[in-house]
Amino acid sequence: DAGITQSPRHKVTETGTPVTLRCHQTENHRYMYWYRQDPGHGLRLIHYSYGVKDTDKGEVSDGYSVSRSKTEDFLLTLESATSSQTSVYFCAISEYTGEGSPLHFGNGTRLTVT
Amino acid sequence: GENVEQHPSTLSVQEGDSAVIKCTYSDSASNYFPWYKQELGKRPQLIIDIRSNVGEKKDQRIAVTLNKTAKHFSLHITETQPEDSAVYFCAALFSYNNNDMRFGAGTRLTVKP
Repeated sequence: DAGITQSPRHKVTETGTPVTLRCHQTENHRYMYWYRQDPGHGLRLIHYSYGVKDTDKGEVSDGYSVSRSKTEDFLLTLESATSSQTSVYFCAISEYTGEGSPLHFGNGTRLTVT
Repeated sequence: GENVEQHPSTLSVQEGDSAVIKCTYSDSASNYFPWYKQELGKRPQLIIDIRSNVGEKKDQRIAVTLNKTAKHFSLHITETQPEDSAVYFCAALFSYNNNDMRFGAGTRLTVKP
């Protein structure tokens, strides 16, 4: 298994509360990603990082922010959680970018917003 | 926007039969197409990938074909086994952003013993 740890693995929170999910890697890969997985939608990119303090938006970034202060850690924050953000969140890493660079996923965080 | 369509959404086969999953993509300049397998409650794992300069790639019982003209690619699993039961996702890396991998909605494959 790629050295990716997501925490927490499960979380239940109330609408309007802030939530932070953590992704920690031990592979020293430059590229890190946050995806959400919902039935009927596959995996959709939220935000990604191409280096320390370098991040950019993905397909479904509204309501989310990220930070990467160290190579090994990539944080996803929901500033004010909504029920539509109930999902399974996967962190992924990649050594390179572009053709021939597969993503390696963490074990996911199941978030429920009540 | 750019997207990946995947069919069928569910597929049931008898053990030993073949299974085929098809995907189409919209960005004609896409150059990388991985396939992921996700078992229940687990993370997606890469099973095979293909680059745009290759028409077919095989790895034991798994093969992927790519038709760039038609903008579609397919996953073929031969001699299916119960442990092949999982959700399979196709993906395409979009040309305007090498960090933007778009996924199909998934195919739930069930292999009946």
